[in-house]
Amino acid sequence: ETGVTQSPTHLIKTRGQQVTLRCSSQSGHNTVSWYQQALGQGPQFIFQYYREEENGRGNFPPRFSGLQFPNYSSELNVNALELDDSALYLCASSFTGPSYEQYFGPGTRLTVT
Amino acid sequence: GESVGLHLPTLSVQEGDNSIINCAYSNSASDYFIWYKQESGKGPQFIIDIRSNMDKRQGQRVTVLLNKTVKHLSLQIAATQPGDSAVYFCAENTGFQKLVFGTGTRLLVSP
Repeated sequence: ETGVTQSPTHLIKTRGQQVTLRCSSQSGHNTVSWYQQALGQGPQFIFQYYREEENGRGNFPPRFSGLQFPNYSSELNVNALELDDSALYLCASSFTGPSYEQYFGPGTRLTVT
Repeated sequence: GESVGLHLPTLSVQEGDNSIINCAYSNSASDYFIWYKQESGKGPQFIIDIRSNMDKRQGQRVTVLLNKTVKHLSLQIAATQPGDSAVYFCAENTGFQKLVFGTGTRLLVSP
């Protein structure tokens, strides 16, 4: 186990609704990255937070937003949910430094109906 | 755009065999590559990494080879065990820990 936790484990939402996913990073890690993993695909980078600010973003629309808190935990918010948003959402924590190693949480399975 | 791809979607081996999983990447500026293992219902688990200034790195039962000339990465697993059955992803660092993942290779180990 990596020490990265995510909540909830599973979630079912209706198209058009909003959702908030949460991540607690591993102790000592100050950077959190979020990834979307569609079924049968590799994770896709959504964005990264460092020192409570967004530090890079992948090819995702603005309705995907996030926050990082002083304790380095993080939230992923998705507005106006679409069916294609159904996926496993992964959070990864890391420490800025010579090592790029990221530690992934177990993910939140989001289903949009 | 940037992409990391895998040649084989599924690899079936017998217990005790050596496994080789291959990966091609497209961004020649990537400086760091990682192999992850993902079991069903779990997040990706770090296996081994390699920096672009290296050609080979060994871990416990695993070896990663990097060929920058042809932009190819491979993961070798020695004496494959049933517990190695999972989906394996290669990923490249495109800048400050922003990873680009491939689509994955499923490794099936038969006893």
